[in-house]
Amino acid sequence: DAGVTQSPTHLIKTRGQHVTLRCSPISGHKSVSWYQQVLGQGPQFIFQYYEKEERGRGNFPDRFSARQFPNYSSELNVNALLLGDSALYLCASSPRYRGTSGYNEQFFGPGTRLTVL
Amino acid sequence: RKEVEQDPGPFNVPEGATVAFNCTYSNSASQSFFWYRQDCRKEPKLLMSVYSSGNEDGRFTAQLNRASQYISLLIRDSKLSDSATYLCVVNPNAGGTSYGKLTFGQGTILTVHP
Repeated sequence: DAGVTQSPTHLIKTRGQHVTLRCSPISGHKSVSWYQQVLGQGPQFIFQYYEKEERGRGNFPDRFSARQFPNYSSELNVNALLLGDSALYLCASSPRYRGTSGYNEQFFGPGTRLTVL
Repeated sequence: RKEVEQDPGPFNVPEGATVAFNCTYSNSASQSFFWYRQDCRKEPKLLMSVYSSGNEDGRFTAQLNRASQYISLLIRDSKLSDSATYLCVVNPNAGGTSYGKLTFGQGTILTVHP
């Protein structure tokens, strides 16, 4: 079975530009979450979407937005890019919105490495 | 105080050694816990979920102490292929906007040498 896929794998942008990152979850998974990982740190939660609705938002500015489509794929948009937005952007899918037993494992895609110059 | 804290290491151990990683979390209402491993410039991969009674998967043993808000991972008989960053992960899963939020520690770097 195919895992989580993300595109593009690498991207170089300049300050002030905008970027769109794409993610396709594992087949049958309805929840997609986005994370930002800067070098030397663990991933930071940006958004969770389930059934096309935003279900969670991390501590990121309004320049970050996302949406989920009827086929459960998702896009992350970042406007007015800053140098500090350079990071690995990870998408994770899970089958449910929340675990019935409290556990809801998330599976990550390979990420999009964004460099802002 | 960080939500999830880990000793960043690095840990350098010989093949065959036993190594233990520790992690503390600040949100006492947290409900689910995981260890992920991340190879250099790759995505995090789920290593194991951590249950209240403790659990084992081959050479890996995870423990959870809810009273102390402490999680551990023990790796026995280390292999060269165990070299990676190990991420302690907590999911509050407590409602509101927290269901999908995984909170990561900064990771502990492990290098296993011949």
